[in-house]
Amino acid sequence: NAGVTQTPKFRILKIGQSMTLQCAQDMNHNYMYWYRQDPGMGLKLIYYSVGAGITDKGEVPNGYNVSRSTTEDFPLRLELAAPSQTSVYFCASSYSRDQEQYFGPGTRLTVT
Amino acid sequence: SQKIEQNSEALNIQEGKTATLTCNYTNYSPAYLQWYRQDPGRGPVFLLLIRENEKEKRKERLKVTFDTTLKQSLFHITASQPADSATYLCALPSGSARQLTFGSGTQLTVLP
Repeated sequence: NAGVTQTPKFRILKIGQSMTLQCAQDMNHNYMYWYRQDPGMGLKLIYYSVGAGITDKGEVPNGYNVSRSTTEDFPLRLELAAPSQTSVYFCASSYSRDQEQYFGPGTRLTVT
Repeated sequence: SQKIEQNSEALNIQEGKTATLTCNYTNYSPAYLQWYRQDPGRGPVFLLLIRENEKEKRKERLKVTFDTTLKQSLFHITASQPADSATYLCALPSGSARQLTFGSGTQLTVLP
C-alpha cells in the first residue's frame, strides 16, 4: 500500500493565482482531512470529509475549498492565493473518527 | 474548543535517560488522547492512543499516562536514543464533531 500520497511536494504561487493540492489514499478509509502547519505551530484543520460526497469546515477554512467525489481522493483548492496561505499542507486519513490518522508527506507552498 | 499546551518548545536529554513530555488541556476531559511523532520535513506518525478510562499505556520503550483530574498526559521514552530525536505532538478530540486538535509539539533532542 502507498498509504496517503500528496502532490506536488513543493509549489511557489504568485498572489492571486489558483491551484489544487492533490491527496489520495489506498487504505479504503472513510475519513480524510486537510491540515496546515505553520513554523513552530501545531496542525490546524482546514476541511475534513467523512465519506464520498460529504465535507465540512474545520478551524481555518477561509480561502480554501474541497470536494470528495470518491473514497480515495480529497483535493484541496486554493482560489486566490494570498501570502497568509504560505504553509506546509498535510493530508491525512483514518478508518473512523476516533482512530489514528495516517498522514501524507506534505506539500510546501509559498505564495509571493 | 480545547486549548492544548505542551511543555517547553525544546527538550534536550542525554542518551540512555528517560524523556518526559507533558501535554496539558484546559476544557472538558476528552474520551481519548493521541500522541504523534514528527520528523523534519515529514508528516506526523501515530504512536499511541490512550482512553479516559486507561491510566497508563505502554508500547516498547514508550509509556503514556492520562490524568483526567489534572487534565494532563505524560509521554515517557525510556532508555532514549539519538534516533528518538523528533517533535512529539499530542492531539485530542474537541468540538461537536470530535475532530483532533493538535498541540504545537515538543522538540526532543537526545544527545549521544
